[in-house]
Amino acid sequence: NAGVTQTPKFQVLKTGQSMTLQCAQDMNHNSMYWYRQDPGMGLRLIYYSASEGTTDKGEVPNGYNVSRLNKREFSLRLESAAPSQTSVYFCASSVDWVGDQPQHFGDGTRLSIL
Amino acid sequence: GESVGLHLPTLSVQEGDNSIINCAYSNSASDYFIWYKQESGKGPQFIIDIRSNMDKRQGQRVTVLLNKTVKHLSLQIAATQPGDSAVYFCAENAGGTSYGKLTFGQGTILTVHP
Repeated sequence: NAGVTQTPKFQVLKTGQSMTLQCAQDMNHNSMYWYRQDPGMGLRLIYYSASEGTTDKGEVPNGYNVSRLNKREFSLRLESAAPSQTSVYFCASSVDWVGDQPQHFGDGTRLSIL
Repeated sequence: GESVGLHLPTLSVQEGDNSIINCAYSNSASDYFIWYKQESGKGPQFIIDIRSNMDKRQGQRVTVLLNKTVKHLSLQIAATQPGDSAVYFCAENAGGTSYGKLTFGQGTILTVHP
């Protein structure tokens, strides 16, 4: 059982380049999330998709866009990468958009912007 | 101990000892809490959760205690093993209109010495 799969695992970009981070889950979950993790700042929510067909901004959405392609897949796009977007990006999913469900995470994409 | 949004404390224990990791939360409206384990290069892994109508919940070698009066959460790990070495995060859900949003602490580094 793969759970949440993220690709790629590592990526180096130059400032101004664009990139899409891919995420897929095989748990039949309705809700999906994108976080970034920076040293000393914990996990911060970028965007989320409560259910297929909906997306909403989280705490730090600027510079990012998302697409909920279908129930399984939720992608994160950087249109014009900036050094401040150097981070580790995690995708997560949960059964539903309710307050008492654990989120299950992928192993992350480590992104460096030069 | 850890406070959601601040610091990254460390805890060193000997193999076989019991470990206690603490988390202070600030939102008295929070009604659901989760503990995650994150190993180096991996995503957060769900350990155990607890709802606010409970004071204690036990899993395999782990126990979570919730003290709503002082807004404190703890994770107890029995007979700690070297494989338990990781960063441990608490997360909270404030319920209400926050729905599925979680707020994460920065984590506590647990090191287990053989």
